[in-house]
Amino acid sequence: DADVTQTPRNRITKTGKRIMLECSQTKGHDRMYWYRQDPGLGLRLIYYSFDVKDINKGEISDGYSVSRQAQAKFSLSLESAIPNQTALYFCATGAGTLSGANVLTFGAGSRLTVL
Amino acid sequence: SQQGEEDPQALSIQEGENATMNCSYKTSINNLQWYRQNSGRGLVHLILIRSNEREKHSGRLRVTLDTSKKSSSLLITASRAADTASYFCATEAPPGNTGKLIFGQGTTLQVKP
Repeated sequence: DADVTQTPRNRITKTGKRIMLECSQTKGHDRMYWYRQDPGLGLRLIYYSFDVKDINKGEISDGYSVSRQAQAKFSLSLESAIPNQTALYFCATGAGTLSGANVLTFGAGSRLTVL
Repeated sequence: SQQGEEDPQALSIQEGENATMNCSYKTSINNLQWYRQNSGRGLVHLILIRSNEREKHSGRLRVTLDTSKKSSSLLITASRAADTASYFCATEAPPGNTGKLIFGQGTTLQVKP
């Protein structure tokens, strides 16, 4: 099994629908992240969490919300999807160290299309 | 806004040649990392260089860091067709324990057999 599992892998939905992308990990990492990838824009950080009670906004949090249900689970929700949220979404985990070398492990991605 | 900008955006070379990708960033960093992404897949960590290091090697990879110019380069030597992928730099800003990585737009490398 993958260290970081994302579901669903592909989803097509309509404008205005609520969508949840789920992420679970077996790495035992405290830190979890949601990124969005668009062609030519690289990865942009949506939200990140250092533990169950610590959730932080990233660069592009508007229109998104998250829930850290447990150390191993971090879900991303689009309350009312719009077409410009069509993108490839990645969940990642990080162990971090006291020296700050935080290497991320990524899931395989969730491709979302909003019509 | 993106922290890192990568150059070139796309690179096409023959198998056996070396590939060099560059990354520039804007603010102080704790470390800089390079990741690889095969088409449509998740990113995989390649190598990390700390702000007090100037060069690092891992197999066929060589990374340099110039903090005075706020730039880094990734060199892949003796490239193979299997190196075809997109490569991203990512920076972690001080204080070093924030854990937030900011990615560049990436360089798409094509290695022709």
